[in-house]
Amino acid sequence: GDSVTQMEGPVTLSEEAFLTINCTYTATGYPSLFWYVQYPGEGLQLLLKATKADDKGSNKGFEATYRKETTSFHLEKGSVQVSDSAVYFCALGITGGGNKLTFGTGTQLKVEL
Amino acid sequence: NAGVTQTPKFQVLKTGQSMTLQCAQDMNHEYMSWYRQDPGMGLRLIHYSVGAGITDQGEVPNGYNVSRSTTEDFPLRLLSAAPSQTSVYFCASSYRGRNSGANVLTFGAGSRLTVL
Repeated sequence: GDSVTQMEGPVTLSEEAFLTINCTYTATGYPSLFWYVQYPGEGLQLLLKATKADDKGSNKGFEATYRKETTSFHLEKGSVQVSDSAVYFCALGITGGGNKLTFGTGTQLKVEL
Repeated sequence: NAGVTQTPKFQVLKTGQSMTLQCAQDMNHEYMSWYRQDPGMGLRLIHYSVGAGITDQGEVPNGYNVSRSTTEDFPLRLLSAAPSQTSVYFCASSYRGRNSGANVLTFGAGSRLTVL
């Protein structure tokens, strides 16, 4: 079946540091890939997405590139802020699969001054 | 816009009690679903619906029932609560896909359930 593997957290960084959160996937079809973010006490919200190989999703300074050859969708940000502290989830969904997303376990990010 | 509204936000139950988690969306989304979030396990799909009157099981459906009588509402029922159902529950909705790729989900704020 489909699966998503994320690096375990928590990840603790100083403000303005570079962030990478690794995500790899296994899928039987040709998936779309997502990063969702969950701020404390809130539901998940979409951070970025990519629907085909070599697509780059970007939002709020975060980027991720759909790499079909390595089945990866790593999340990066050049300079993190304290306000980026949250839990980040990588997810995949199959076209026409509706809302049946497969999520990774989540990576908690803590950014300190 | 309210988006996806879940109630209650917090609930404590005793083993064997029943309850319903409510979910309502005002975006006229066709798809709705329920996930549970547990530490170290990410989100797992419990049940989903592709439209009013149509529901199906997800990855972890045991112990839960759903129905979808209207487009707006998708309640999740626990018939006889067990400690293993202690979790945070999220309702999500989305449009039927009109563009390439899987749908983007809109999530509610979550309902934290503790079963003693």
